Amino acid sequence: AQSVTQLGSHVSVSEGALVLLRCNYSSSVPPYLFWYVQYPNQGLQLLLKYTTGATLVKGINGFEAEFKKSETSFHLTKPSAHMSDAAEYFCAVIVSGGYQKVTFGTGTKLQVIP
Amino acid sequence: SQTIHQWPATLVQPVGSPLSLECTVEGTSNPNLYWYRQAAGRGLQLLFYSVGIGQISSEVPQNLSASRPQDRQFILSSKKLLLSDSGFYLCAWSHGGANYGYTFGSGTRLTVV
Repeated sequence: AQSVTQLGSHVSVSEGALVLLRCNYSSSVPPYLFWYVQYPNQGLQLLLKYTTGATLVKGINGFEAEFKKSETSFHLTKPSAHMSDAAEYFCAVIVSGGYQKVTFGTGTKLQVIP
Repeated sequence: SQTIHQWPATLVQPVGSPLSLECTVEGTSNPNLYWYRQAAGRGLQLLFYSVGIGQISSEVPQNLSASRPQDRQFILSSKKLLLSDSGFYLCAWSHGGANYGYTFGSGTRLTVV
């Protein structure tokens, strides 16, 4: 069975600083990996995904993530934080099977300090 | 384009009252449908999923039930709400392929009082 671990339930960064949100996964087969963002009282929105091919994937709002198989990681980064990036971020893993079933991490709340 | 609608956005219900939350998807056919619950300070918990009309799988024993009366309609219900049913409920859909990810509805904030 697959699992996802997000290190740090809360992360604070200054506006303009690097954003780094950590995600490690466990899967016995090659995974599909996702990052979602959730703004208060809203649903989750897909930021980016890794399926196959290039291990560095770019998403919306200037975010990117790199799939590192050797480290079983899929960390989310953004070079310069903006106030509008304040939200909760979820890492997720899917292992293809008879149906599609996503395992989510517990989420990381990002605070951006002006 | 595909859209997902979830309502109501907020709901306050007394303990012991019934519940019905509805989710519909437009612009696609035969989607996989999911109900998640997000409790304060906790991650997303998968409650139910459905791969077709009338096909419901439950992930955790609970006070809730789900039904899929039509291809693009997914309903979450309870006969008698408990305080512990409070939370943020999210509906989602996906295609059958694992690499598409999920598309989420905007959620329902349920408070049981």
